[in-house]
Amino acid sequence: GAVVSQHPSWVICKSGTSVKIECRSLDFQATTMFWYRQFPKQSLMLMATSNEGSKATYEQGVEKDKFLINHASLTLSTLTVTSAHPEDSSFYICSALTSGMSYNEQFFGPGTRLTVL
Amino acid sequence: GESVGLHLPTLSVQEGDNSIINCAYSNSASDYFIWYKQESGKGPQFIIDIRSNMDKRQGQRVTVLLNKTVKHLSLQIAATQPGDSAVYFCAVSSGAGSYQLTFGKGTKLSVIP
Repeated sequence: GAVVSQHPSWVICKSGTSVKIECRSLDFQATTMFWYRQFPKQSLMLMATSNEGSKATYEQGVEKDKFLINHASLTLSTLTVTSAHPEDSSFYICSALTSGMSYNEQFFGPGTRLTVL
Repeated sequence: GESVGLHLPTLSVQEGDNSIINCAYSNSASDYFIWYKQESGKGPQFIIDIRSNMDKRQGQRVTVLLNKTVKHLSLQIAATQPGDSAVYFCAVSSGAGSYQLTFGKGTKLSVIP
């Protein structure tokens, strides 16, 4: 199957700093990428849908000014957590699909563990 | 909106036994259902899917059953192995051409050797 990578796999930062997480589709072009957040022992919650070349669509309750998403190329989407606070500590997961894919071809990345001190 | 839940947060089974994990959904318009396996510290891994025009689908050691009348689906794992230990999520698509998935709360499966 197609491979989606995330970088970094984990990051620790101080409160107030910004952190950028990258999501890459390694062997296919991802016209759409999704960003999820997962708190410990909880399910994946969709944060935003990112389409290449256009603004991301954020889910209700997700601050677009705090979670900046850029999908400038067909293989890369980035999520920047601005002015991170301890409550932003979570597991961030991206998934990617391309046009023409059916639902089951939404490939997930391995996730990025963010810890804000 | 979609609401997806699971009947049991944890499930312990003996190695070699069959496992059944359940999921309920709320939106009768949901047309696509997926089961994912997530190991600790990793992203979800696709297991099996089923569309609303089917009520059963089988894969290798796994079977998904869909009951649209009561909006319930289940994942059956045959001859459960230690490597099956993980958290299992159902995910539901609301249909209408949407690629967005709503994930259930997850069931942690522990296999007793």
